Amino acid sequence: GAVVSQHPSWVICKSGTSVKIECRSLDFQATTMFWYRQFPKKSLMLMATSNEGSKATYEQGVEKDKFLINHASLTLSTLTVTSAHPEDSSFYICSAPAGTGVLNEQFFGPGTRLTVL
Amino acid sequence: GIQVEQSPPDLILQEGANSTLRCNFSDSVNNLQWFHQNPWGQLINLFYIPSGTKQNGRLSATTVATERYSLLYISSSQTTDSGVYFCAVDDSNYQLIWGAGTKLIIKP
Repeated sequence: GAVVSQHPSWVICKSGTSVKIECRSLDFQATTMFWYRQFPKKSLMLMATSNEGSKATYEQGVEKDKFLINHASLTLSTLTVTSAHPEDSSFYICSAPAGTGVLNEQFFGPGTRLTVL
Repeated sequence: GIQVEQSPPDLILQEGANSTLRCNFSDSVNNLQWFHQNPWGQLINLFYIPSGTKQNGRLSATTVATERYSLLYISSSQTTDSGVYFCAVDDSNYQLIWGAGTKLIIKP
């Protein structure tokens, strides 16, 4: 299957700093990528849809100025958590569909565990 | 929007046992996927199965699209099968809609 990587796998930062998370599709191109957040013992919550060459689409309740998304190329999307606070601590996962038309099996990165002190 | 329900929410089995996990969805879907989330958080694709039956080793899955459900079968469970199993469907917008998951614990 297709491979999606994420970097870093974990990060600890101080409150008020910004953190950038990278999501790469390694063996396929992805015009669309998705960013999820997962709280402990919960299902995945879609944060935003990252679109190559255009603005991201954010889900209701997700602050676009806090979670900056840039999809600079067909293989890379980045999520920047700006002015991070402890409540931003979470597990962030990206995914990308690999297929054509309605055949869009999605593949997931290994996730990034963010801890804000 | 589409609702996805998984059952049971928790399942504890002895090694070697068989299990069936269920996923019900409330409307027609284009795609359906089963995932296993391991203890480190990695989501592993198990099956991409909008309809029909597929098998991969000890795992198999069946989706009956007309009746809006999918089943995941795990035979001869091993401790490494432990984790959370998610079902997710796609309603034609590339966005996945997730069930709450089934937490499976396999005891040695």
